[in-house]
Amino acid sequence: DGGITQSPKYLFRKEGQNVTLSCEQNLNHDAMYWYRQDPGQGLRLIYYSQIVNDFQKGDIAEGYSVSREKKESFPLTVTSAQKNPTAFYLCASSIDRQEPGNTIYFGEGSWLTVV
Amino acid sequence: GNSVTQMEGPVTLSEEAFLTINCTYTATGYPSLFWYVQYPGEGLQLLLKATKADDKGSNKGFEATYRKETTSFHLEKGSVQVSDSAVYFCALRSGAGGTSYGKLTFGQGTILTVHP
Repeated sequence: DGGITQSPKYLFRKEGQNVTLSCEQNLNHDAMYWYRQDPGQGLRLIYYSQIVNDFQKGDIAEGYSVSREKKESFPLTVTSAQKNPTAFYLCASSIDRQEPGNTIYFGEGSWLTVV
Repeated sequence: GNSVTQMEGPVTLSEEAFLTINCTYTATGYPSLFWYVQYPGEGLQLLLKATKADDKGSNKGFEATYRKETTSFHLEKGSVQVSDSAVYFCALRSGAGGTSYGKLTFGQGTILTVHP
């Protein structure tokens, strides 16, 4: 089946640790995105990538890093510099980012909790 | 910049009641408008969309009409079911360029609970 796969579903991080969330898509989409969801705040864009080896900061990029070495993969690293990382993280993709009518599709999400 | 405002929630209805969730937006140019639904513990699923003024998006009994004159995209359903209980997000997407760079801008979400 085509889709977006995020792993792990649940992740616990100790203070001071970096953790990486995986996102893989087999939709042959060019554009990929990472969003963070906090209760009552909707979703906020962390990073996005239009093509392989290119990515741009979104609205809340501080404390996060990404890579885009393959078209189908867009992992997100939550670094120790992120002061409040506990949240639900959603990866998304679209065929491109040029046409506003193209749908952005979402994965099932990953819950990150700092312990 | 772009912004989306949804009606305050949560919304609690009885089965078969009529549903309206209001959504208004601010955007430059000609954005596309979306409604996404999120069931507990899951990601977002596209419910419906409209890409130009006066377009009506519809799916699973839900409808929303793109009203450019009132900058609105209200979600409606004539008869809700218990299975419609979820969080509903209104969103807009402008084209690349400027500060919007093709991203989705979301409202804060509206929690809908439907009782039998």
